[in-house]
Amino acid sequence: EADIYQTPRYLVIGTGKKITLECSQTMGHDKMYWYQQDPGMELHLIHYSYGVNSTEKGDLSSESTVSRIRTEHFPLTLESARPSHTSQYLCASSFGTGDGYTFGSGTRLTVV
Amino acid sequence: AQRVTQPEKLLSVFKGAPVELKCNYSYSGSPELFWYVQYSRQRLQLLLRHISRESIKGFTADLNKGETSFHLKKPFAQEEDSAMYYCALGKGAQKLVFGQGTRLTINP
Repeated sequence: EADIYQTPRYLVIGTGKKITLECSQTMGHDKMYWYQQDPGMELHLIHYSYGVNSTEKGDLSSESTVSRIRTEHFPLTLESARPSHTSQYLCASSFGTGDGYTFGSGTRLTVV
Repeated sequence: AQRVTQPEKLLSVFKGAPVELKCNYSYSGSPELFWYVQYSRQRLQLLLRHISRESIKGFTADLNKGETSFHLKKPFAQEEDSAMYYCALGKGAQKLVFGQGTRLTINP
């Protein structure tokens, strides 16, 4: 079934560890996005991509990095996790203007 | 700057009563507006797009450019409407800016 998948759903990790949050979609969407959301708060765009080898930073400054080597895959990496990175990370994709996004289930990250 | 404001963080109404979730935006261009909904333990999903002018699950939303609003309405609330609702504004290649969200609770 065409969908967007995020793994892991939950992650608890120690300070200083390197982590990669996975996001894959099977809908053939060119555009993909990462949002950060604290509980009960608004979503903030941290990274986006218009296609392979295209990545841009979003409105909210983030210490994370992303890559887009394949159309379907848009992983997010934190080289050295800190407690301030504790949040929910949402991945989304879309075809284009007016279509809206399809969201993944999110990864809830806790850094201790 | 593009901004979306949802003035109510919490909204509680009784089953069968009308519901209106407010959304105001600021944007200098031609806006693309959306409503997203997140039910308990489910992922965020698209509810409405202003360009499609459709009714989904009894909800409608009309773009009012004069008032820069895109309020979400339903004439008779149902218990299954309880959820978190986000208004979103599309800008430049459809990067969406989201409002703070409104948690709607429908009381029996």
